[in-house]
Amino acid sequence: NAGVTQTPKFRILKIGQSMTLQCTQDMNHNYMYWYRQDPGMGLKLIYYSVGAGITDKGEVPNGYNVSRSTTEDFPLRLELAAPSQTSVYFCAIQPGQDSNQPQHFGDGTRLSIL
Amino acid sequence: GQNIDQPTEMTATEGAIVQINCTYQTSGFNGLFWYQQHAGEAPTFLSYNVLDGLEEKGRFSSFLSRSKGYSYLLLKELQMKDSASYLCAALDSNYQLIWGAGTKLIIKP
Repeated sequence: NAGVTQTPKFRILKIGQSMTLQCTQDMNHNYMYWYRQDPGMGLKLIYYSVGAGITDKGEVPNGYNVSRSTTEDFPLRLELAAPSQTSVYFCAIQPGQDSNQPQHFGDGTRLSIL
Repeated sequence: GQNIDQPTEMTATEGAIVQINCTYQTSGFNGLFWYQQHAGEAPTFLSYNVLDGLEEKGRFSSFLSRSKGYSYLLLKELQMKDSASYLCAALDSNYQLIWGAGTKLIIKP
């Protein structure tokens, strides 16, 4: 998993509940990303960070929040879970700033909202 | 708008060759990535192209034509373990990855 650890691996939430998806990396990379992947769809960028204290919105940020207080951790928060947020969530890191650096993914969190 | 198109599903025979096509329309272009994703797992990096031409890596090769907005992934000597989804992703002018929906490759004995 390229040094990217995501927890939990699976979770079922009720509508309106909140939770935090954890993402931790142990390789001191500045660039980190959160994606969601729905069945039959491409990965959609939720939020990203280029370093501690810096975060920015991606393509589908509504309903989510992030923070980056340390280089290692990039948690994703769902405040009021909705069925539309049922998805697989992947955290990714990028080893460097150069555009040819590939992103490497954690194992994912499978989230169901019922 | 930005768009990546690739076939939804392809079937091939073990030992054969298969070509998975990808066309892209993005605001600016800074390269194209191919990833492999086995069912229930995370995507893993296969290749990166930014200049026109063919990049070869063992059984896998990737081709890019910037003028045509087109790439393909070529898999040779197919093995059963190559059964997976193959994701095409283009890097736009903001250095954000725009992802295709993936091509599910089914390998038959």
